Parts: sequence; structure tokens; C-alpha cells
Amino acid sequence: KAGVTQTPRYLIKTRGQQVTLSCSPISGHRSVSWYQQTPGQGLQFLFEYFSETQRNKGNFPGRFSGRQFSNSRSEMNVSTLELGDSALYLCASSLAGWRGHGNSPLHFGNGTRLTVT
Amino acid sequence: DAKTTQPPSMDCAEGRAANLPCNHSTISGNEYVYWYRQIHSQGPQYIIHGLKNNETNEMASLIITEDRKSSTLILPHATLRDTAVYYCIVRVRGNYGQNFVFGPGTRLSVLP
Repeated sequence: KAGVTQTPRYLIKTRGQQVTLSCSPISGHRSVSWYQQTPGQGLQFLFEYFSETQRNKGNFPGRFSGRQFSNSRSEMNVSTLELGDSALYLCASSLAGWRGHGNSPLHFGNGTRLTVT
Repeated sequence: DAKTTQPPSMDCAEGRAANLPCNHSTISGNEYVYWYRQIHSQGPQYIIHGLKNNETNEMASLIITEDRKSSTLILPHATLRDTAVYYCIVRVRGNYGQNFVFGPGTRLSVLP
């Protein structure tokens, strides 16, 4: 079974631009979560989607947004990029949301490394 | 904030067992313990999880104390490829994934 796929793998953007990152979950997984990882703050939760609805949201400004499609694929968008948005953005999928799978672990992709100049 | 405490770093000789401790003294009855590891420039890799019984899979064993206030991840025969940051996480079982809170983890160095 294929793992979580994130595209692109690397991205370089300029301050003020916007960016869209894509995530394809493991087949059968309908829960998708996004995390930001920086050297200073570590791994921080952005948001989680299930059945095209945002279920949980972390403490990030409104410039960070996401969505999920009917096929469970997800995108996240960052508008008006700032230098501090440079990070590894990780997507994870899970069976959570299906009855009896509330303790299912997250399975992560290898991330998109975003550099803002 | 993370609900777990782990040593910042550990060394282990190649071929020996690596025992990584984790304290979660405020864990509640419905919270599971999860272990992940992250090798540089890759996403975190799921290793194992458990509630109160010891668990074993092809990667590792998880030993949870009877009072559930601490646990140990055991890599039975560490190899150089096991060098990584290991994260111990507790979270509540819920209808959805709910957010996993990652602390700084333990940086394990497997030495030749």
C-alpha cells in the first residue's frame, strides 16, 4: 500500500507570495492532519480534516488554511508568506474517524520543505 | 504542551538493545502512548502504541508500567539506521485523529 504522498518536495517562494501544498493520504484513510516543523518550535499541529470538514485547528494565524476533497486528498495554503514560514510542512493520514479506530496512529509523509526568501 | 518527558539524548552501541524511557505522570485512563521516530529530512515514522499492556511488533517493544506513569521503548538490536529522534506522545482516543503533541524527543545515536 502506498504511503502518504506530498508534493512538491521542495519549494522556494518570496515574501508576500502565496503557496499551496498537496497531500494524498494512504488509501482508505479519511483523516488528514497538517503539521509545521521548524528548528525552533519543533512539530506543531496546524489542522485536521475528516470528510471534507475541518475537525481541529492549531494556534496559527488565518493566513494558514486548508481543505479536503471528496477523495480525501488535502491541500494547505499559506498566503502573504513571511520569512518565518520557512519550514518543513508535514501531512499525516489516519483511519481515525471510522468507528472503532479512534486510537489509530498517524502516518506521515516526507513533507514539503518551504523556503521563503 | 507535550504531556511527556524524555531525555534529550542517548547513545547505544550497535547490536545492543536501546531502551528509551518516557515519563507521562499525568496520563489519564483513556490516553494511549505512541512512539514515533524521525530520521533527518524525513517525516516521523510510526513505531508502536499501547494503552496499558506491553506491545511488540517487528520494529520494537513497548513496556508500560503498571501505574502507566512511564513507558520504555525497546529496540532489541540497534543498528546504525536506528539513529534518529524518538518521540513519545500521549493522546486521548477520540472519534477523530485529534492533534498529537510532539515534544523535543530523544536523539538516539547508535555508535559502531
